[in-house]
Amino acid sequence: DGGITQSPKYLFRKEGQNVTLSCEQNLNHDAMYWYRQDPGQGLRLIYYSQIVNDFQKGDIAEGYSVSREKKESFPLTVTSAQKNPTAFYLCASSDPLAGGYNEQFFGPGTRLTVL
Amino acid sequence: GQQVMQIPQYQHVQEGEDFTTYCNSSTTLSNIQWYKQRPGGHPVFLIQLVKSGEVKKQKRLTFQFGEAKKNSSLHITATQTTDVGTYFCAGSIFPGGTSYGKLTFGQGTILTVHP
Repeated sequence: DGGITQSPKYLFRKEGQNVTLSCEQNLNHDAMYWYRQDPGQGLRLIYYSQIVNDFQKGDIAEGYSVSREKKESFPLTVTSAQKNPTAFYLCASSDPLAGGYNEQFFGPGTRLTVL
Repeated sequence: GQQVMQIPQYQHVQEGEDFTTYCNSSTTLSNIQWYKQRPGGHPVFLIQLVKSGEVKKQKRLTFQFGEAKKNSSLHITATQTTDVGTYFCAGSIFPGGTSYGKLTFGQGTILTVHP
């Protein structure tokens, strides 16, 4: 059963702690993305990776870090430098070179609350 | 940077009424995609428009891409309670003739349908 998994669904952390959000896909997609969703602001791109061992900053990368050591995995670390980390985080993947639609497939999301 | 504006932010309709959401980009787009996010869920791809002036239909949904490839709309005829959710447009620009471009999402329109 192909898809994208994110864990956990809900995450609580104390202020000042780093936290890593997991994203795994078995769709064999080259590209992966992290978005942040806040009410009334749509989806904002944090980081994206077009291929293993390479990634680029999105529009709101400050306070976040990523790695792409394996094709199927793209973990996101929310660091203590992120001023307002409480949000809904969505991971997505796509296959830009497949031809046809370059649609993004989203995971179920992780709702992070920093107390 | 690239901006994609979407209006209205909220729309409340009675079941059977029509609904339209509009998307406007500050720059010319390579393509535009539409996604639907059900309450508590994650965005799901609906369609992609690529050509200037393109119109596509999916049952009661009609998607348009403007002649200048800077605006788009989604129209739902005779809404049903199953149409409830947030509708996002997402524009893409392919830099330098590449086949890949990151998506910039609009803020989304939250549709409520009263039975």
